[in-house]
Amino acid sequence: DAKTTQPPSMDCAEGRAANLPCNHSTISGNEYVYWYRQIHSQGPQYIIHGLKNNETNEMASLIITEDRKSSTLILPHATLRDTAVYYCIVSPRNFGNEKLTFGTGTRLTIIP
Amino acid sequence: DGGITQSPKYLFRKEGQNVTLSCEQNLNHDAMYWYRQDPGQGLRLIYYSQIVNDFQKGDIAEGYSVSREKKESFPLTVTSAQKNPTAFYLCASSIAWDRGYEQYFGPGTRLTVT
Repeated sequence: DAKTTQPPSMDCAEGRAANLPCNHSTISGNEYVYWYRQIHSQGPQYIIHGLKNNETNEMASLIITEDRKSSTLILPHATLRDTAVYYCIVSPRNFGNEKLTFGTGTRLTIIP
Repeated sequence: DGGITQSPKYLFRKEGQNVTLSCEQNLNHDAMYWYRQDPGQGLRLIYYSQIVNDFQKGDIAEGYSVSREKKESFPLTVTSAQKNPTAFYLCASSIAWDRGYEQYFGPGTRLTVT
């Protein structure tokens, strides 16, 4: 029973902002939104996470809607090295019996 | 240079043989994890360890075994009981179990069993 819905694939021109959407309409109050990415044949890489406020770090920005039912990961100036599968994950911050559940993600292709 | 190492990158075995995949971390992390990834699929959790000398089954533990005798090491054995062992295996760690939302992954081992 998937907690998140992401488009299977997206393209973005090099140098433009890549906006990756994620729907999580059943998110509960104690659950955070996490983003990872996986470059081909490598291990996933943590990008960013947030609860309800927008977050920014050196890699990306995360915009969470006010009702928290959806979010957007923004890569401000996409490069060819950003081509990867991006996973949106919803999970409580304190793990206990919860674990990260990686779905099939969005395959982002950056086009020269 | 801290990180997680998995070796080898590619591993080939004959059906019916047990094989052990190595995972070592020098990040001083308490928690470690093993995942399996099949082509075009997400990651599925095999085993996890919250702390040394402790480990728990994940979602698909059948046919696998682990040990956690040292903080730095969490080897995974794929036994002959695992019906479809050919896959990409990923090891990860987090600073603590309750920081498991931020996991650091190794480069993976691609196992092919024929």
